[in-house]
Amino acid sequence: QTVVTQEPSISVSPGGTVTLTCGLTSGSVSTHYSPSWYRQTPGQAPRTLIYSTNTRSSGVPDRFSASILGNKAALTITGAQADDESLYYCMLYMGNGISLFGGGTKLTVL
Amino acid sequence: EVQLVESGGGLVQPGGSLRLACVGSGFMFRSYWMSWVRQAPGKGLEWVANLKYDGGEEYYADSVKGRFTISRDNAKNSLFLQMDSLRPEDTAVYYCARWIQTYRDFDTWGQGTVVTVSS
Repeated sequence: QTVVTQEPSISVSPGGTVTLTCGLTSGSVSTHYSPSWYRQTPGQAPRTLIYSTNTRSSGVPDRFSASILGNKAALTITGAQADDESLYYCMLYMGNGISLFGGGTKLTVL
Repeated sequence: EVQLVESGGGLVQPGGSLRLACVGSGFMFRSYWMSWVRQAPGKGLEWVANLKYDGGEEYYADSVKGRFTISRDNAKNSLFLQMDSLRPEDTAVYYCARWIQTYRDFDTWGQGTVVTVSS
């Protein structure tokens, strides 16, 4: 059974750059999986950040960018700010109508 | 403004049933695929089901297949999730989301409704 993998937690200093990754326990992530990224703060609904591998959703600042790095999807935040502290989820489209979320990465800015 | 509002959550005993509803506004509901995504307490997001804009295709996560049924009433801009044979592990916040088939992603989310399965 394929699982989508994410770092459980990552820290970044204010103003720094951080990359979160999204992989597969079996195989490599490519644009074929149409990776998307979502952000969720406690008690709130998720918000879409990135779709179709690297396209920012409306209103998302250009500090957020995404790509395929090696065999994983990646979300990069440049100039990290305190309010970037959140849970970040990636999702991959597996085909046949099936989507899988990663377990999420808790980003701490300190 | 595009908006999704869920309702119907509550406390139900194991083996029981519940029907969730989601009303969409601010967009042409009948033109979009729609979905349900859930989040168990303290856990991550889990895709549950997708439904084509005309109801002609539906897809389910293995964890709910055969127990849950997604449906819609485009005349009422409404999406539903009929949940039968509920288990404690179905306890979660259930989000309604708009699925963009072209890009394979969710672009709009509701605020969620809480389902608790417990005796």
